[in-house]
Amino acid sequence: DARVTQTPRHKVTEMGQEVTMRCQPILGHNTVFWYRQTMMQGLELLAYFRNRAPLDDSGMPKDRFSAEMPDATLATLKIQPSEPRDSAVYFCASGLVVHRGGTEAFFGQGTRLTVV
Amino acid sequence: AQSVTQPDIHITVSEGASLELRCNYSYGATPYLFWYVQSPGQGLQLLLKYFSGDTLVQGIKGFEAEFKRSQSSFNLRKPSVHWSDAAEYFCAVQFTGRRALTFGSGTRLQVQP
Repeated sequence: DARVTQTPRHKVTEMGQEVTMRCQPILGHNTVFWYRQTMMQGLELLAYFRNRAPLDDSGMPKDRFSAEMPDATLATLKIQPSEPRDSAVYFCASGLVVHRGGTEAFFGQGTRLTVV
Repeated sequence: AQSVTQPDIHITVSEGASLELRCNYSYGATPYLFWYVQSPGQGLQLLLKYFSGDTLVQGIKGFEAEFKRSQSSFNLRKPSVHWSDAAEYFCAVQFTGRRALTFGSGTRLQVQP
C-alpha cells in the first residue's frame, strides 16, 4: 500500500534550534507539496516541487525556512532558527498528474512541531 | 483572489441521517475539485475528486459530491451518516494554471447516536 511517509511524527524543540522534517513521497510521483496546518490559518501551502525543482515557495518565510529535494525519494523542510510561532502540523503530500494537469495529491501523517 | 469557502464551521447530525457539506470557490475557469477527510491526529485522506465529465462523482465510504458550475459549488453528500464519519472535512480546489491545492477552512462533523 503506497503512502507518503513523514518523519518525525512529533518534534519538540527549543526556540532558536534547527528543525528538519523529512518526507518520502510515493514512488513515481513527480510533484511534492509542503503544507502547514494551524488552528488560526488552516492549511497553507509552503512550497511545491515538480521533478525535484522548486516551482513555488512563495508561502515560506524565506529568512528561516528552506525546502529541498536532494533526490526523488526525499524531500526536506528546514527551519533555522525555529520560533514559537512555527508551532504547527507540517504535511507533505505527493502528487500524480492524472488529467490535463489535474494533480491528485496524497498526504502523509504530518509532523507535529512544538517550539518552546 | 482565488479562494475556497466552507460556510459551515461545525455540523452535528444524528447517526443514520443524511449529510450535506457545502463548498464554494471563487469565480474562474472550471477548476479541479476535491474533498478530503481528516480524523484527529491524522493526515488528510482523499474522499473524491472532480476533473471533468459527469458532475456527480462518487467517492469512498459512501460519499458523493456534485459540481454545479452555475453556483461555483461542489457540495459533499452522504445519504446515511455513520458514527465513524465524525471528522473534519476539507474542500480543496486546484485552480487553473496551478498545481497546488487551495483549501477551505474545513467543516467539523459530529455524529450523535
